[in-house]
Amino acid sequence: GAGVSQSPSNKVTEKGKDVELRCDPISGHTALYWYRQSLGQGLEFLIYFQGNSAPDKSGLPSDRFSAERTGGSVSTLTIQRTQQEDSAVYLCASSLFQDPQETQYFGPGTRLLVL
Amino acid sequence: SQQGEEDPQALSIQEGENATMNCSYKTSINNLQWYRQNSGRGLVHLILIRSNEREKHSGRLRVTLDTSKKSSSLLITASRAADTASYFCATGGVTGGGNKLTFGTGTQLKVEL
Repeated sequence: GAGVSQSPSNKVTEKGKDVELRCDPISGHTALYWYRQSLGQGLEFLIYFQGNSAPDKSGLPSDRFSAERTGGSVSTLTIQRTQQEDSAVYLCASSLFQDPQETQYFGPGTRLLVL
Repeated sequence: SQQGEEDPQALSIQEGENATMNCSYKTSINNLQWYRQNSGRGLVHLILIRSNEREKHSGRLRVTLDTSKKSSSLLITASRAADTASYFCATGGVTGGGNKLTFGTGTQLKVEL
């Protein structure tokens, strides 16, 4: 079946603008995760959602970052007032359950460049 | 923050040779996973080994886990040019950490013809 999809593939924006990144998880997967990969920080966790439970936002780097998951499916990661240090590849992953033994399947990522 | 580190950071071998990558981590875990990444984009899941397992095989891949040393290794046998990629270990189910994955620093593997 279809894997995790993300849009846009690439996004170039000016410093100070807001951006929205979208993730479509694998159908039926209840857990959804956002990660960020940047040159200086490697791969780091941002936020995850599990069903109707409150999301774990412990990885969000600042209050400029927020995420929603509507209807238990599609998720949007929003970055307000973007800064140059926000430039990175933003990766989304989903898994069948929020179980430590469940494999997380990753999308192709969105490459964000803030000028 | 990074849970662990991988070594080597970069590895260059000839096609047909074996490639071994090592990963160390810091806290107790439920499982350890290996991922491959091509050209800085999406991660492809390779294998998951649970904390009560010591070795696991999948095709040309062999993973070991030593929880006493908090380390794991990934062996790719009979490497091919198509194996050229970055390889990351990731720990899951860290106590108090929910199910988020914490990644190592990665090994860049180059397999030359």
